[in-house]
Amino acid sequence: GAVVSQHPSWVICKSGTSVKIECRSLDFQATTMFWYRQFPKQSLMLMATSNEGSKATYEQGVEKDKFLINHASLTLSTLTVTSAHPEDSSFYICSAKSDSNQPQHFGDGTRLSIL
Amino acid sequence: AQSVAQPEDQVNVAEGNPLTVKCTYSVSGNPYLFWYVQYPNRGLQFLLKYITGDNLVKGSYGFEAEFNKSQTSFHLKKPSALVSDSALYFCAVRDSGGYQKVTFGTGTKLQVIP
Repeated sequence: GAVVSQHPSWVICKSGTSVKIECRSLDFQATTMFWYRQFPKQSLMLMATSNEGSKATYEQGVEKDKFLINHASLTLSTLTVTSAHPEDSSFYICSAKSDSNQPQHFGDGTRLSIL
Repeated sequence: AQSVAQPEDQVNVAEGNPLTVKCTYSVSGNPYLFWYVQYPNRGLQFLLKYITGDNLVKGSYGFEAEFNKSQTSFHLKKPSALVSDSALYFCAVRDSGGYQKVTFGTGTKLQVIP
């Protein structure tokens, strides 16, 4: 149980394009979803927390207009990297949990490469 | 503010030997503690958690962790390491009170040598 699917797993695109990443909880309802960014050999950096039906809460230093997060249902959240540039290249990971006492369950991540 | 420390960047252990991956934490209230494992180019997999109750928590793949309140530690252990256990391990903590955000450690790379 507690499976989180993240798609796509790998994206290569040109600078200036927008990229959408989907995160789905397959067998539970995710009241809260999280988006992380992970740099090589580093820990996870929380970008934002989203609750279904409400605006995402962004961490300090994360541009809201660049990283658009939508959590339209209890099983789906999307992260759109707008006008992506090479410095946005990274490993993006989503996670979801059903309630406050449960652990987060993670997707397999998306490797984003901007040329 | 809450924090997690994983003092070792890498731990090497021979296959069949016991392993320990260290973690210490700091929270203002009672802690919720977690261990996750990450394989290359993958997301994190949940191993085990401590919320309340017994200090020794058993998790997936034969791993266990011991909650020690006086030492504010939550070390991950396994009696006999497998080569397939080689991966990156993250400890995480959050306050059981109002501050719900989880803080992750910097990760420890476990290398099990055949």
